[in-house]
Amino acid sequence: DTAVSQTPKYLVTQMGNDKSIKCEQNLGHDTMYWYKQDSKKFLKIMFSYNNKELIINETVPNRFSPKSPDKAHLNLHINSLELGDSAVYFCASSQGGGRTDTQYFGPGTRLTVL
Amino acid sequence: GNSVTQMEGPVTLSEEAFLTINCTYTATGYPSLFWYVQYPGEGLQLLLKATKADDKGSNKGFEATYRKETTSFHLEKGSVQVSDSAVYFCALSERQGAQKLVFGQGTRLTINP
Repeated sequence: DTAVSQTPKYLVTQMGNDKSIKCEQNLGHDTMYWYKQDSKKFLKIMFSYNNKELIINETVPNRFSPKSPDKAHLNLHINSLELGDSAVYFCASSQGGGRTDTQYFGPGTRLTVL
Repeated sequence: GNSVTQMEGPVTLSEEAFLTINCTYTATGYPSLFWYVQYPGEGLQLLLKATKADDKGSNKGFEATYRKETTSFHLEKGSVQVSDSAVYFCALSERQGAQKLVFGQGTRLTINP
């Protein structure tokens, strides 16, 4: 049983297109996150949701829109894709939002924008 | 703002060597500290954590001690194996109510047989 799953694993698309990445967790956690990992492996948080409510929204272009239909799912929609959006996107979840919580990561989605 | 600095990689060692990966942080308040590991082609997984000063986190032979006086959380292992080859990330978390992990740049470790 995969705890945090993401689809698709790979996504290759043209500049200007709109795409979505889906994330699901079966851990019963209340909080979910999206991270971006660039080509140098640097990881940065993008968004955090707690029980479908947006909690953290870092300085991310508004072309990126997270959507949480229920607390087990957090999808990421990206409009008008740009070359600089090429990266690996990780979804994660944790039981709560406490500073001691452990985050559980999905396997990542490698997005390539041509 | 809060930040984490790790030693530059890549690090290459022989099997059974001693490992140290340095990590220092800058933060206001009292952060929790984490080491996450990323094996090739996979997502991150927690290796160990410490939530207050002088705590020692340990797992799979790895350990790190939360040193408030030196703002450090160095990762050590006495005898590394080929299977330890991965990218290691040091991170801090301070915010309550909405955990925000701030990661270091990652250190790629390769262990040769």
